[in-house]
Amino acid sequence: EAGVAQSPRYKIIEKRQSVAFWCNPISGHATLYWYQQILGQGPKLLIQFQNNGVVDDSQLPKDRFSAERLKGVDSTLKIQPAKLEDSAVYLCASTQPGGGGHEQFFGPGTRLTVL
Amino acid sequence: RKEVEQDPGPFNVPEGATVAFNCTYSNSASQSFFWYRQDCRKEPKLLMSVYSSGNEDGRFTAQLNRASQYISLLIRDSKLSDSATYLCVASHNAGNMLTFGGGTRLMVKP
Repeated sequence: EAGVAQSPRYKIIEKRQSVAFWCNPISGHATLYWYQQILGQGPKLLIQFQNNGVVDDSQLPKDRFSAERLKGVDSTLKIQPAKLEDSAVYLCASTQPGGGGHEQFFGPGTRLTVL
Repeated sequence: RKEVEQDPGPFNVPEGATVAFNCTYSNSASQSFFWYRQDCRKEPKLLMSVYSSGNEDGRFTAQLNRASQYISLLIRDSKLSDSATYLCVASHNAGNMLTFGGGTRLMVKP
């Protein structure tokens, strides 16, 4: 079974530029999450989707971050404009629908460096 | 105060040693708990769930104390391959939203 796919794996941009990350969850997984992991810290949830609807985006800095999952499958996360403190690994995760437990399967992440 | 707190370590132990990690959580509404493992520059992966009665998976034992809002992970007979960061995780709703601690780094030396 293919895992969660993310691209690009690495991205270097200058502050005030824009950047977008892409995620394709495991096939059949209705719930998709985006996390931000700053070096030395645990992942922090940014947004959770159930199919194409947002379940929780309370920790998403909406002045600069946006995310969508238009067809309920793959998703994009955008930062516009980027700040130095956005340097982090952006992880996408997915889970099976229903009560199958709480295991979240993570993709390899996109490592963003903002200069 | 962070919702899930862990000692960042690092814990440096010799092969074969027993090591224990602790974690505290502040949200008394937390219902489910987990340990995830994260290798250097890799994604987190589920190590084990934590049940109120305590549970064991091979060399790993997890325990939960709801009264003290405390979770532990015990690793017996440490292997070099156990070197990683261990993330304590709490979930407080049915929406499967996870709150991660900052992680405890373990380094097992030969």
